[in-house]
Amino acid sequence: AQSVAQPEDQVNVAEGNPLTVKCTYSVSGNPYLFWYVQYPNRGLQFLLKYITGDNLVKGSYGFEAEFNKSQTSFHLKKPSALVSDSALYFCAVRDGGTYKYIFGTGTRLKVLA
Amino acid sequence: DGGITQSPKYLFRKEGQNVTLSCEQNLNHDAMYWYRQDPGQGLRLIYYSQIVNDFQKGDIAEGYSVSREKKESFPLTVTSAQKNPTAFYLCASKGSGGTGELFFGEGSRLTVL
Repeated sequence: AQSVAQPEDQVNVAEGNPLTVKCTYSVSGNPYLFWYVQYPNRGLQFLLKYITGDNLVKGSYGFEAEFNKSQTSFHLKKPSALVSDSALYFCAVRDGGTYKYIFGTGTRLKVLA
Repeated sequence: DGGITQSPKYLFRKEGQNVTLSCEQNLNHDAMYWYRQDPGQGLRLIYYSQIVNDFQKGDIAEGYSVSREKKESFPLTVTSAQKNPTAFYLCASKGSGGTGELFFGEGSRLTVL
């Protein structure tokens, strides 16, 4: 069965420092991977996706993600964190056999001024 | 503007009452989804529909029902059989093609008193 793991419930980083939010996955077949961000009491906003091609994917608001097939990881990164990046981040994978999208439990990012 | 509209944003109901949450999209998307979000558990799939007049159970369908009579609309009914209905409910849609991302509404927060 397809699954996604986000091993950190919370990540704290100082403003201006690089940030990483971790995600590992388990899929059969080619992975279709996604990152979303959620602000309090709001829906999820799409940040970026990996379908195929370059292992470094660039997305919205300066975020990027690195796909690593051997480590089955898809970590979200940003070179310089902003206080406004503080939010809940979700990694997701699409089940190759259906239209189901499976989400991780989320990582709360806190950027400290 | 194109998007997904969920209503109501906040809803309070007494135990034992059925509740219907509305989800409407004007993105001309074929697929629609309902997720439930609880703190620390991420998003869990309730039902999804790939096309009008067809839908499938997700991972936590018990106590919920849906209909898909129109492409634009995918209402979710939370029945009295749902043991713990208090949660944040998110509706999403996806365009045609297998690798697209989900577009989310702003969510509906249901509190059962």
